[in-house]
Amino acid sequence: AQTVTQSQPEMSVQEAETVTLSCTYDTSENNYYLFWYKQPPSRQMILVIRQEAYKQQNATENRFSVNFQKAAKSFSLKISDSQLGDTAMYFCAFMGNNDMRFGAGTRLTVKP
Amino acid sequence: NAGVTQTPKFQVLKTGQSMTLQCAQDMNHEYMSWYRQDPGMGLRLIHYSVGAGITDQGEVPNGYNVSRSTTEDFPLRLLSAAPSQTSVYFCASSEGQISYNSPLHFGNGTRLTVT
Repeated sequence: AQTVTQSQPEMSVQEAETVTLSCTYDTSENNYYLFWYKQPPSRQMILVIRQEAYKQQNATENRFSVNFQKAAKSFSLKISDSQLGDTAMYFCAFMGNNDMRFGAGTRLTVKP
Repeated sequence: NAGVTQTPKFQVLKTGQSMTLQCAQDMNHEYMSWYRQDPGMGLRLIHYSVGAGITDQGEVPNGYNVSRSTTEDFPLRLLSAAPSQTSVYFCASSEGQISYNSPLHFGNGTRLTVT
């Protein structure tokens, strides 16, 4: 079964600075999808960014970008110009053969 | 546009009681699923459905039943609640098989406490 590992349980960053959240996964599949979800204190799960494994170009959504290294099975999330509203749990997720797996999450705190 | 609606938002049960968590979506999504979220463990898949009349087990199905009689609804039943089922439960749906163009849309979750 696929596994997703987020090695940073908690992180903090100063407002306006850049932070990178790490995610690695284990799979034998060649075609799959990767996602980052944000969970603010409201408990809502919000899709932040997504990546197709067969696309080499890293996905970008405004201040959010990923560094996708397929050979290393790594999918890190970079948040630029951090804002107080970015404070949340962040979950990395892997979708393979109709089996969606989530990492344990990273709690990010943006400090003023 | 309601999206994925879960009820109730909070629930407290005594050990051995049964209950049904409701989930409805108005996006005509074929795929629906239930996850539980526990501290330090992320979200784990309980059951999922790829269409009306079809359900399958996920990673942690024991103690839970589901059915999918309509495209819109996917209730999760706890037959005899146990303290180990204390968790936050999320229902999620996608247009078809989860993919880049068909990501999961989540409900707002149900916090369940079993005493």
